[in-house]
Amino acid sequence: ILNVEQSPQSLHVQEGDSTNFTCSFPSSNFYALHWYRWETAKSPEALFVMTLNGDEKKKGRISATLNTKEGYSYLYIKGSQPEDSATYLCAPQAGTALIFGKGTTLSVSS
Amino acid sequence: ETGVTQTPRHLVMGMTNKKSLKCEQHLGHNAMYWYKQSAKKPLELMFVYSLEERVENNSVPSRFSPECPNSSHLFLHLHTLQPEDSALYLCASSLNRGLNTEAFFGQGTRLTVV
Repeated sequence: ILNVEQSPQSLHVQEGDSTNFTCSFPSSNFYALHWYRWETAKSPEALFVMTLNGDEKKKGRISATLNTKEGYSYLYIKGSQPEDSATYLCAPQAGTALIFGKGTTLSVSS
Repeated sequence: ETGVTQTPRHLVMGMTNKKSLKCEQHLGHNAMYWYKQSAKKPLELMFVYSLEERVENNSVPSRFSPECPNSSHLFLHLHTLQPEDSALYLCASSLNRGLNTEAFFGQGTRLTVV
């Protein structure tokens, strides 16, 4: 069973700030790393799936990097907007399904 | 809308009741999942179905009984639950169980056991 740690647990920033979160996982028995965004009263929504060490993915103002050798992934949000307020979940995949962290809850004030 | 629909959205049941949660997807996905989120805990995988066959049971008590009659539908039958089973139950589907396959989630059923 993977032990997934996400930090910080919660974060409050002002509109326009850039921010980043960390996901740590055991580097052994790793297959893929997923990031999800979960807005209140909605479904978790996939942001990125990464498999290769050194992978970098970008979607608009959000980007992610992956280091499989040391077991971590960073999620970056550039110029945060109120609509970015959500819980960001990372989920390493080892085998059949995803093992989720507790998430980082981001609140962006206008 | 993710294409995964769960009903009901909210459910209150007594410990002696029997109820079922329903999940439906018409995305052409072959894998379906049940996850549970209890307060202050991460999403926990409960069951995995692939091509209508259960391929994983993550040590879930027998009072939770899944059923997958076809690739578009997944049920979670509940009986003699305990108050600690109160949680958000999320269904998800994916094209297959491959590495690069993202999961699409429903909005969940908020279950309260009284």
